[in-house]
Amino acid sequence: AQKVTQAQTEISVVEKEDVTLDCVYETRDTTYYLFWYKQPPSGELVFLIRRNSFDEQNEISGRYSWNFQKSTSSFNFTITASQVVDSAVYFCALSEATTGNQFYFGTGTSLTVIP
Amino acid sequence: DAGVIQSPRHEVTEMGQEVTLRCKPISGHNSLFWYRQTMMRGLELLIYFNNNVPIDDSGMPEDRFSAKMPNASFSTLKIQPSEPRDSAVYFCASSTTGVGNTIYFGEGSWLTVV
Repeated sequence: AQKVTQAQTEISVVEKEDVTLDCVYETRDTTYYLFWYKQPPSGELVFLIRRNSFDEQNEISGRYSWNFQKSTSSFNFTITASQVVDSAVYFCALSEATTGNQFYFGTGTSLTVIP
Repeated sequence: DAGVIQSPRHEVTEMGQEVTLRCKPISGHNSLFWYRQTMMRGLELLIYFNNNVPIDDSGMPEDRFSAKMPNASFSTLKIQPSEPRDSAVYFCASSTTGVGNTIYFGEGSWLTVV
């Protein structure tokens, strides 16, 4: 079974629109960690954020914000006032306490921001 | 600080040839990972090392693939003989050892086997 589901395969928005990328995870662990990575067209994977399962506070970093809800097993990522440079594939990932360094990646959401 | 360094960035090779991909993890990181990314299968963990010791190689596709980590600052992933279906982007990543620690990726090695 897929531990991390990113149901949105591709999203297109017009510049300056807000966009939310969904991530739903599945785990039986009480201690786990969630991550978002960005893969721009140049191909590298860039770390964006890490949250642990005990911290449900939403986080904001500039135009980026993350909404962690344990009740729905979701860790969604919102970009406010999107820009062309936000065009990339975004990956959500899960790491569980019982499986150590194993990361479970979602299949990614490809975001295109149209100027 | 230098990130994870991979070489070569791009390689085109003929089927049957040996391919060696190289990785230098971030200094002080003692966990190292090799991932493969393809359109069909997404990101797959091939193998990971803790303190230079292979911990989980269950993702290595077959005997043609091998990985070594002779010291804390160097790892190789070898494919011998290579096949067209090995064409992919191979990422090396590293982290400090510990549950839930962030892994940092290199820029990837883009392999094309013709």
